[in-house]
Amino acid sequence: NAGVMQNPRHLVRRRGQEARLRCSPMKGHSHVYWYRQLPEEGLKFMVYLQKENIIDESGMPKERFSAEFPKEGPSILRIQQVVRGDSAAYFCASSPQGGASNEQFFGPGTRLTVL
Amino acid sequence: GNSVTQMEGPVTLSEEAFLTINCTYTATGYPSLFWYVQYPGEGLQLLLKATKADDKGSNKGFEATYRKETTSFHLEKGSVQVSDSAVYFCALTSYNTDKLIFGTGTRLQVFP
Repeated sequence: NAGVMQNPRHLVRRRGQEARLRCSPMKGHSHVYWYRQLPEEGLKFMVYLQKENIIDESGMPKERFSAEFPKEGPSILRIQQVVRGDSAAYFCASSPQGGASNEQFFGPGTRLTVL
Repeated sequence: GNSVTQMEGPVTLSEEAFLTINCTYTATGYPSLFWYVQYPGEGLQLLLKATKADDKGSNKGFEATYRKETTSFHLEKGSVQVSDSAVYFCALTSYNTDKLIFGTGTRLQVFP
């Protein structure tokens, strides 16, 4: 059973461009979470999605950031008009069901660099 | 709000030394507590967890006990190995939300 897959692993964008980060959860997992890790900091929650629904987006910046998890295909985190402060590692996690005590399985991350 | 505080690193130890990484939390209700480990260039892996007071999580020689009276979840290992060198994150989920709240991480360096 393949783990959580994220691509690309490394992404370089110039200021003002768009960044699209993809996450394929583990097989059978319908819950997806996105976290951001700034340099030398811990991970910060961004958004929690189930298939076709956003459950909790309390950690998402109000502008430029959006996320989706369509019925078919991977979850996408989209950042429009990137700025240097968006440079970070973005991690996706998945779980087979919701619940505060359930393990979240993390992907290897996408490292975004904004020039 | 909910938060996690863990000791700053780096923690530098010789192989076979005893390890403690302190973690305390602030949360409403009864959170679930986790330790995750991040090896260089990789994502996080769950190391252990505890879901109620006095529970002890254990894995690969690591242990942590959920202490409600001191709001702590300290990570311990009796004899560390070079391969344990990584960044360790303490985290919690509150009873009414799935999102993980992480501490800032503690880097462990073990030398032979």
